Parts: sequence; structure tokens; C-alpha cells
Amino acid sequence: DTEVTQTPKHLVMGMTNKKSLKCEQHMGHRAMYWYKQKAKKPPELMFVYSYEKLSINESVPSRFSPECPNSSLLNLHLHALQPEDSALYLCASSQGRWDQPQHFGDGTRLSIL
Amino acid sequence: GNSVTQMEGPVTLSEEAFLTINCTYTATGYPSLFWYVQYPGEGLQLLLKATKADDKGSNKGFEATYRKETTSFHLEKGSVQVSDSAVYFCALNRWGGKLIFGQGTELSVKP
Repeated sequence: DTEVTQTPKHLVMGMTNKKSLKCEQHMGHRAMYWYKQKAKKPPELMFVYSYEKLSINESVPSRFSPECPNSSLLNLHLHALQPEDSALYLCASSQGRWDQPQHFGDGTRLSIL
Repeated sequence: GNSVTQMEGPVTLSEEAFLTINCTYTATGYPSLFWYVQYPGEGLQLLLKATKADDKGSNKGFEATYRKETTSFHLEKGSVQVSDSAVYFCALNRWGGKLIFGQGTELSVKP
């Protein structure tokens, strides 16, 4: 059982829709991450939050907007996405130290029509 | 820069065969090394880790040893099962950096 919970598991949306992905962890981790993963490829880092503040934005288009309401929750707001944004979106958390592993959720499978 | 190189897949083995997935890295300093596994339709699960040279990580019959002299962290298992079929990612992290993944190796185990 994963300790990082993501909802929804699947999402289909049109290019004009607005939707949000949610992530929750209760391990007391202080760092949370969003990744994008295409089939059979490694995850690509999108955003990092450390102590609820955005610390890394990997030049992600503004149609993706992250939010960290508190230390346990992470959201990714989606608006005006493109078909190439269809992918598996993974959330992860960690203690924040570089020598500690990141723990991943099962992801949200996003399809853009 | 920092990078991780894994052997290309897919790797196809018969049940109870010996598994080796090669992983080599390039990094300054002393990175921490990880193996993650991704089963179909799921996220990544940490399989094992090693934080310093000569450390051996082990879990569920899988092992990997941090070899600084050869900059390697090869994954091994003595007897694979059908349930081990998945994609395996080698990764590194170092102070001030971010988690860097290899390209992944798909393993298929046949009965």
C-alpha cells in the first residue's frame, strides 16, 4: 500500500476544461514533488515544494499551477492543456534530505481530448 | 553533469533465472543511489538504496552494492519470479541536487 495518495486515478478532460489533481501524505515529510511520466520513460521533475514553499519550477508551462495548502497536501491545477500533456502525473514526498528516498503515489493518468 | 545509465531492455528471463540489471553513474562527490520498481499501472516503489561506498542495499531478494571505484550500482536477484515483471529505474541524488533517473529497464519473466 502506498503512503502517498493521489486522486483521481484517471482523468479525461478537454482542452478548455479546468481540473485539479490532488496528493496527500501523512508521513510528516517536508518536501513534496510533482513529476510527469510518459510511457516507458523515467519521471520528469516539474515542481518541488519545501516547507510548503515552492523551491523548484522546472520551467513548466503556466497552464500547470501547483499549490501546497499545508504540509500534507499538494495540488496541481490544470487549465487549457494540450494533447501532449497526456501522461501519468506522479506525486512524491520525502524528508527533504538528498540522501533520503522519495516516496511516490500511484499517479493520475491524464488524457487530454 | 550528473547522469545515470542503465542497460537497455526489454530483458526477458525464465522463472528462477538469475537477474542482473547494470547501472553506472556519473556524479561529483558522493551521491546516494536508489533502485525503484514500477509495476504496470502503478507508481514507483523504492526497492533499495545505498548512501555510501561499499554499502549493500537489499530488499525482497534483490541486492545492489555501491561501487565507487567502478561508479556502478548493479541490481541482482538470484531467482526471479513472474511477479517481478516490471520496469526498474536506477537513480541518484546528491547534496543540493535533484533525483536523477536512468532510462529504465523493462523486465519480463516468463513461466
